Amino acid sequence: GQQVMQIPQYQHVQEGEDFTTYCNSSTTLSNIQWYKQRPGGHPVFLIQLVKSGEVKKQKRLTFQFGEAKKNSSLHITATQTTDVGTYFCAGASGYSTLTFGKGTMLLVSP
Amino acid sequence: DGGITQSPKYLFRKEGQNVTLSCEQNLNHDAMYWYRQDPGQGLRLIYYSQIVNDFQKGDIAEGYSVSREKKESFPLTVTSAQKNPTAFYLCASTRTARTNSPLHFGNGTRLTVT
Repeated sequence: GQQVMQIPQYQHVQEGEDFTTYCNSSTTLSNIQWYKQRPGGHPVFLIQLVKSGEVKKQKRLTFQFGEAKKNSSLHITATQTTDVGTYFCAGASGYSTLTFGKGTMLLVSP
Repeated sequence: DGGITQSPKYLFRKEGQNVTLSCEQNLNHDAMYWYRQDPGQGLRLIYYSQIVNDFQKGDIAEGYSVSREKKESFPLTVTSAQKNPTAFYLCASTRTARTNSPLHFGNGTRLTVT
């Protein structure tokens, strides 16, 4: 079945440093979604990418979808303590349901 | 405000007992989902329903059962056949059954079975 790998599993940065999490799929994806889960909370949808090579920005967050539609990344510029949480990617191929990566836990020290 | 309500937030049960987790949505969404979250494991799909009176198994359906008698409701029963039931359970919905429809999650139910 479809597998979605996400790295790193965990990252601890100082406030102001940049952060990137990477997502790789074993199959070509029709779309990829990104979610954020704050500690003790539930996942919240951030964005969806559907086109090959697509790049989308949300303030300090930049999302990319690879040319082959098998990988994606989320980059946060100048992290803030409010960025703390676990970031998940989730991909789908064709009519399959979404498969989630295991997530990257981000800790930001002030 | 529209949203998904899961109750209760915390649930404790003895081993061997069945337990039902509630999930209600007032978003008028067609599809509903149940995920299980364990530390370091991400979210794994248990069951999903794209339309009333129909549901499909996800990746880890063994030991669980669901029903979808109303569009708004999608309860999950954790049966005594589930070998490791202690986990964080998340209910979600999407506006349509298409895979590019974003998931809206409830606040979750943390189940502890001893």
